[in-house]
Amino acid sequence: SQQGEEDPQALSIQEGENATMNCSYKTSINNLQWYRQNSGRGLVHLILIRSNEREKHSGRLRVTLDTSKKSSSLLITASRAADTASYFCATAAGRDDKIIFGKGTRLHILP
Amino acid sequence: EPEVTQTPSHQVTQMGQEVILRCVPISNHLYFYWYRQILGQKVEFLVSFYNNEISEKSEIFDDQFSVERPDGSNFTLKIRSTKLEDSAMYFCASREWAKNIQYFGAGTRLSVL
Repeated sequence: SQQGEEDPQALSIQEGENATMNCSYKTSINNLQWYRQNSGRGLVHLILIRSNEREKHSGRLRVTLDTSKKSSSLLITASRAADTASYFCATAAGRDDKIIFGKGTRLHILP
Repeated sequence: EPEVTQTPSHQVTQMGQEVILRCVPISNHLYFYWYRQILGQKVEFLVSFYNNEISEKSEIFDDQFSVERPDGSNFTLKIRSTKLEDSAMYFCASREWAKNIQYFGAGTRLSVL
């Protein structure tokens, strides 16, 4: 299958520290996306990186993509309590770009 | 900012009953999707819909499921005879033509008793 698999499954860090989450996938992609889900809530799109890009920034988020290793990382700098959530990498597949989600990383920011 | 809205937020039903989950996608979007997330598991694709027809569906989307766009704004998911294992969060999503980003609703929690 094409789904991303995140690592670690859970991460607890102190507020202000940086959080890094990794994702691996199995097949070729057009793009890779990261989503956030607060507990019991909907999915919020964070950032998209295309297969011909290596790095992308958006505010405190930095995403890297290594297509040779079929991996991506999401870095959240200067973490805040509000960043506590589950983070999913996702790849798009099929003619309508259905999204295939990984299992996610549960991030907990400690005060 | 435009958003995808889903109703109800929580639906409780008895096993064997029919349920209809409703979604109002963002108005200029052309692609519509349903996903589900069983508690503690990953979000799974169910079906995509474009040009008034199903364009792709997963193995989960069996004959018990159907989707419909009854008018210009609503997009519904019907489960004909619910089973206990249908209990999950159901997410609707939509996107514009030629854009990669899907926008998700807040979800409907379906509880089958």
